[in-house]
Amino acid sequence: AIRMTQSPSSFSASTGDRVTITCRASQGISSYLAWYQQKPGKAPKLLIYAASTLQSGVPSRFSGSGSGTDFTLTISCLQSEDFATYYCQQYYSYSTTFGQGTKVEIK
Amino acid sequence: EVQLVESGGGLVQPGRSLRLSCAASGFTFDDYAMHWVRQAPGKGLEWVSGISWNSGSIGYADSVKGRFTISRDNAKNSLYLQMNSLRAEDTALYYCAKVLGSTVGAFDIWGQGTMVTVSS
Repeated sequence: AIRMTQSPSSFSASTGDRVTITCRASQGISSYLAWYQQKPGKAPKLLIYAASTLQSGVPSRFSGSGSGTDFTLTISCLQSEDFATYYCQQYYSYSTTFGQGTKVEIK
Repeated sequence: EVQLVESGGGLVQPGRSLRLSCAASGFTFDDYAMHWVRQAPGKGLEWVSGISWNSGSIGYADSVKGRFTISRDNAKNSLYLQMNSLRAEDTALYYCAKVLGSTVGAFDIWGQGTMVTVSS
């Protein structure tokens, strides 16, 4: 199975900060990568697919980049509603896999 | 409104069985692949199983292979997960999810989840 590794696992940030989360695949996955946001008690929400395509309705402060094995999710100006856990997911393989998650906490 | 609603979770003893259902509405169900994803309490997301629009392609995580069976009834707009030989480590919130594209792809719609607790 393709292993997805996110870094960091968690960090603290302030409103207005620019934050970047990294996801690395154990083998090349082209651009078959998605990012999700999950808040406590809620289902995950799709933010970005195909590595850099913003899902409809998602604020433009979210962006994604990368291809092959290395990917990033960037939040350009962190808002209060962005404090959550973020997951990457590869769908290059039918047996899709998720990263372990990155929790963004309030500093 | 596009919606997925899971049901069928509950408390079950180790070794017993449970069948989860996911009712879809607001979209053409038989155009899309569907998946089950679970999340153990306080843990991350784990893919469980997926099925193509016509049930021609099916996949399972190694952790459930041979014990779980995914199926769908396009006439009833429903997805199912038959879970046999349940173990304590199967305890989780089970989500059904719709694929953005027709076959493989990101999951654009998720249900609210149904909780499965395996304990004696």
